[in-house]
Amino acid sequence: DAGITQSPRHKVTETGTPVTLRCHQTENHRYMYWYRQDPGHGLRLIHYSYGVKDTDKGEVSDGYSVSRSKTEDFLLTLESATSSQTSVYFCATRERQEGEKLFFGSGTQLSVL
Amino acid sequence: GENVEQHPSTLSVQEGDSAVIKCTYSDSASNYFPWYKQELGKRPQLIIDIRSNVGEKKDQRIAVTLNKTAKHFSLHITETQPEDSAVYFCAAYDTGRRALTFGSGTRLQVQP
Repeated sequence: DAGITQSPRHKVTETGTPVTLRCHQTENHRYMYWYRQDPGHGLRLIHYSYGVKDTDKGEVSDGYSVSRSKTEDFLLTLESATSSQTSVYFCATRERQEGEKLFFGSGTQLSVL
Repeated sequence: GENVEQHPSTLSVQEGDSAVIKCTYSDSASNYFPWYKQELGKRPQLIIDIRSNVGEKKDQRIAVTLNKTAKHFSLHITETQPEDSAVYFCAAYDTGRRALTFGSGTRLQVQP
């Protein structure tokens, strides 16, 4: 689906450890997004990028950082994971020519114990 | 930023009945409203979308209506089938963040 790969697909980690999730796209889309999905909250925007080295905060950015050094890769880092960050994380991309349509990756299930 | 509210959170219908899911949004500048379907363990998939210059759009058994004045939009599924069972999300395009803001989701169950 739109050449978006998330890794890892599943991860279990302990509170206080750093975690990095990777999103890789082969579509050369300019915009990339990280969302988290929790029951009763839908999908909430964590961070987004509108180009290489251009990133900004979403509505739930506390405790997360991102980096985008290449068009194809968008990394999400939890500097010190907490149990409240247990969630399913989705990466999405968008290209201006496609309008506002988002293409989603398969998701990463993260459990913080 | 944009805020989207979605109702109901769960909806159970009999096969063949219609289902309606409603959303409201807060930012009058929003101009794009998609609906996504998510099956268990899968990624969200776009099923239909509407722009602010259109009041209604249909695609076979699904339709979306938009009332810009009231800032609400709805998804209508007719002749529901068991394979329509999923979680449905509405969204509105936040022109400030250039990102979609999603509703909290509706779990639709179609009983055979």
